[in-house]
Amino acid sequence: KQEVTQIPAALSVPEGENLVLNCSFTDSAIYNLQWFRQDPGKGLTSLLLIQSSQREQTSGRLNASLDKSSGRSTLYIAASQPGDSATYLCAALDNYGQNFVFGPGTRLSVLP
Amino acid sequence: EPEVTQTPSHQVTQMGQEVILRCVPISNHLYFYWYRQILGQKVEFLVSFYNNEISEKSEIFDDQFSVERPDGSNFTLKIRSTKLEDSAMYFCASSEYRNSLRYTFGSGTRLTVV
Repeated sequence: KQEVTQIPAALSVPEGENLVLNCSFTDSAIYNLQWFRQDPGKGLTSLLLIQSSQREQTSGRLNASLDKSSGRSTLYIAASQPGDSATYLCAALDNYGQNFVFGPGTRLSVLP
Repeated sequence: EPEVTQTPSHQVTQMGQEVILRCVPISNHLYFYWYRQILGQKVEFLVSFYNNEISEKSEIFDDQFSVERPDGSNFTLKIRSTKLEDSAMYFCASSEYRNSLRYTFGSGTRLTVV
């Protein structure tokens, strides 16, 4: 059974810092891995999707990498801004494409 | 950008009552899903639905839950007799096909059972 974990659970940084969020999964037979942003009490906003055949994806200040063999993904946020404050979730889609398994999230606070 | 629409955004119901949560998936998508997130916990898969039947469900999705596509546009989740522990955010999602790269979540319905 797939298990997804994320570290750290919470992170507080001053504005402008570069930071890395970590995601680990136990079963490497994934179809893709997706990073989401969730604001308090709100829905899920997809940030980046990495297919199992890819190593990384970039969108603006965000870069996500995937290492299936080690069961790890990282989300790199460059030049963080207060508006980046949110919870970041990673989720692995299994090879049957039926459902995502989510991690518990990293709660990020970027201080002005 | 096409969206998955969920209504209502917030619903309060008394314990024991039936609730129906509604979702309008993206129009050309064929697979539909429900997830839930209890406050402070992980987002959890409930059920997937394709071709008018359940294709997979989790152990959470017991006999109290049912899903339906009553017409060509809506996808509903019914909870027959709500319990306090059903209080959660419920997310609907849809995808064009299985293993699709376009897997879109709605903004959620917050269900509060009192």
